[in-house]
Amino acid sequence: DIQMTQSPSSLSASVGDRVTITCRASQSISSYLNWYQQKPGKAPKLLIYAASSLQSGVPSRFSGSGSGTDFTLTISSLQPEDFATYYCQQSYSTLRTFGPGTKVDIK
Amino acid sequence: EVQLVESGGGLVKPGGSLRLSCAASGFTFSSYSMNWVRQAPGKGLEWVSSISSSSSYIYYADSVKGRFTISRDNAKNSLYLQMNSLRAEDTAVYYCARDPSSGGSPAHFDYWGQGTLVTVSS
Repeated sequence: DIQMTQSPSSLSASVGDRVTITCRASQSISSYLNWYQQKPGKAPKLLIYAASSLQSGVPSRFSGSGSGTDFTLTISSLQPEDFATYYCQQSYSTLRTFGPGTKVDIK
Repeated sequence: EVQLVESGGGLVKPGGSLRLSCAASGFTFSSYSMNWVRQAPGKGLEWVSSISSSSSYIYYADSVKGRFTISRDNAKNSLYLQMNSLRAEDTAVYYCARDPSSGGSPAHFDYWGQGTLVTVSS
């Protein structure tokens, strides 16, 4: 099975900060990498698919990059509504594993 | 408007069974692969199972293989998860999620239901 790791596991940031979250796969997954945002008590929301494609309706301050084993989610200017937990997910394998999550909270 | 509504969760004893349902509306259900994803209390997301649009391809996480069965009824716009031999570690909120990918494009989950809670406890 493909294992996903994320770093950091949590971070504190201020409104307006540039935030970067990293996701690493245990083997090459090409660009088969998605990013989701989840707020407490809510279902996850798709932000980025295929490593760098912005889901419709998602603000352009969110961007994704990477291929192979290393990927990055960047929030260019953190907004109050962005405080949440972020998960990466690989879809290279038919067993579609998620990363452990990165919690972004207010500094 | 795309809607996914899960039901069927509840309290069940270890070793028991439960069947979850996901009612879909607002899109052509028969054209999409569907998935179940779960989240244990205070924990991260865990993909559970997926089923292709015509039920030709079905996959399970190792943690549920042999105990859970995914199915769908395209005539009823519904997705199901039959859960047998339930364990305490199956306690979680279970979400159904739609996968809009096709033709070999990368899978991703663009719409999710609100989730249904399954608690396995004696």
